[in-house]
Amino acid sequence: GAGVSQSPSNKVTEKGKDVELRCDPISGHTALYWYRQSLGQGLEFLIYFQGNSAPDKSGLPSDRFSAERTGGSVSTLTIQRTQQEDSAVYLCASSLQGTANEKLFFGSGTQLSVL
Amino acid sequence: SQKIEQNSEALNIQEGKTATLTCNYTNYSPAYLQWYRQDPGRGPVFLLLIRENEKEKRKERLKVTFDTTLKQSLFHITASQPADSATYLCALKGRGSQGNLIFGKGTKLSVKP
Repeated sequence: GAGVSQSPSNKVTEKGKDVELRCDPISGHTALYWYRQSLGQGLEFLIYFQGNSAPDKSGLPSDRFSAERTGGSVSTLTIQRTQQEDSAVYLCASSLQGTANEKLFFGSGTQLSVL
Repeated sequence: SQKIEQNSEALNIQEGKTATLTCNYTNYSPAYLQWYRQDPGRGPVFLLLIRENEKEKRKERLKVTFDTTLKQSLFHITASQPADSATYLCALKGRGSQGNLIFGKGTKLSVKP
């Protein structure tokens, strides 16, 4: 596609339910990133995939959060047993190779609301 | 610990003036610094990248400086327009994997006509 696509754009769930957020990166981009942005806060790094390397999971806030990237393309971020503090915008980005001098292309995000 | 600070949460200026936004960092030695623009309900959009050996970078009405001694970057928008109103984020690569780009909290710029 022309840009990074995320779905759904909005998700409302009940506390304790599991949710899956999807990200379609730009075709040909080997690096994929997940960030979280809470109201009035900056972007919080969650996880990074680059090619076939082991993902950098250092930003995941708890073991309720996990992500996978199938076939080097689409990624799914899963949050188990959601809590109210998980409410935020979840942003996905991709870049060509994942090097430090590359710009990131972001999707419009998934607004997650946990009631 | 590593920290990025954009020391103004909000900046209000008059149309036609120059907007100057500041990004300070501590406990980093970044080789690159990036600036992004974020509009409400959208993801950030890349604007400029500056390398540690570049003092200044320009793109149209935008100018970025990078002072590795002061550990500071300044982002300028000259002849500002109401359409420039947005949140501006600076970003650095953190320690660890190449992909760990760390963002500041942003400065919300409002340009009044």
